[in-house]
Amino acid sequence: KQEVTQIPAALSVPEGENLVLNCSFTDSAIYNLQWFRQDPGKGLTSLLLIQSSQREQTSGRLNASLDKSSGRSTLYIAASQPGDSATYLCAVNSNSGYALNFGKGTSLLVTP
Amino acid sequence: GAVVSQHPSRVICKSGTSVKIECRSLDFQATTMFWYRQFPKQSLMLMATSNEGSKATYEQGVEKDKFLINHASLTLSTLTVTSAHPEDSSFYICSAPERTSGNTIYFGEGSWLTVV
Repeated sequence: KQEVTQIPAALSVPEGENLVLNCSFTDSAIYNLQWFRQDPGKGLTSLLLIQSSQREQTSGRLNASLDKSSGRSTLYIAASQPGDSATYLCAVNSNSGYALNFGKGTSLLVTP
Repeated sequence: GAVVSQHPSRVICKSGTSVKIECRSLDFQATTMFWYRQFPKQSLMLMATSNEGSKATYEQGVEKDKFLINHASLTLSTLTVTSAHPEDSSFYICSAPERTSGNTIYFGEGSWLTVV
């Protein structure tokens, strides 16, 4: 069964710092990997989706990379802002049409 | 893009009662929908896979008689929490793959259930 692990569980950084969130998965045979943001008491916001054939995706200050062979993905956030404070979830899709396997998330706090 | 709508967003019910949560695909047909549960400070855990016109597939440890899933049409799946208890209080969220976009998975807004 696919296991998804996210490190660190929590992170606090001052505003302006660049930061990296890590995600690892046990089965490298994936269809795609997705990063979500979840604000307290809210649902999920999709940030970036990387297909298994891709190495990275970028959206604004966010960059997600995928190394399928090593079972790793990173989410890079540049020039962090207090509004980036949220929980970031990594989810792996093992096959097209299948359910996602989620990590436990990284709780990010960006202080002014 | 495709939209999945979930209702209600928040519900409070008394212990012992049942509550129904609806998940609708608004602009596409979904033969499959997924139901997740998230306890405080935990990740989203798959509860069951809802299949249109057939029985749902439940994950290990999820009581099928307690969490009734009905997928009677290609755009609607419902999750009914029966005889709710305070420990069922959680965040429930549905998702559905949209076939024409390579099965991109779209999530509903989620439902917060509080059992008092």
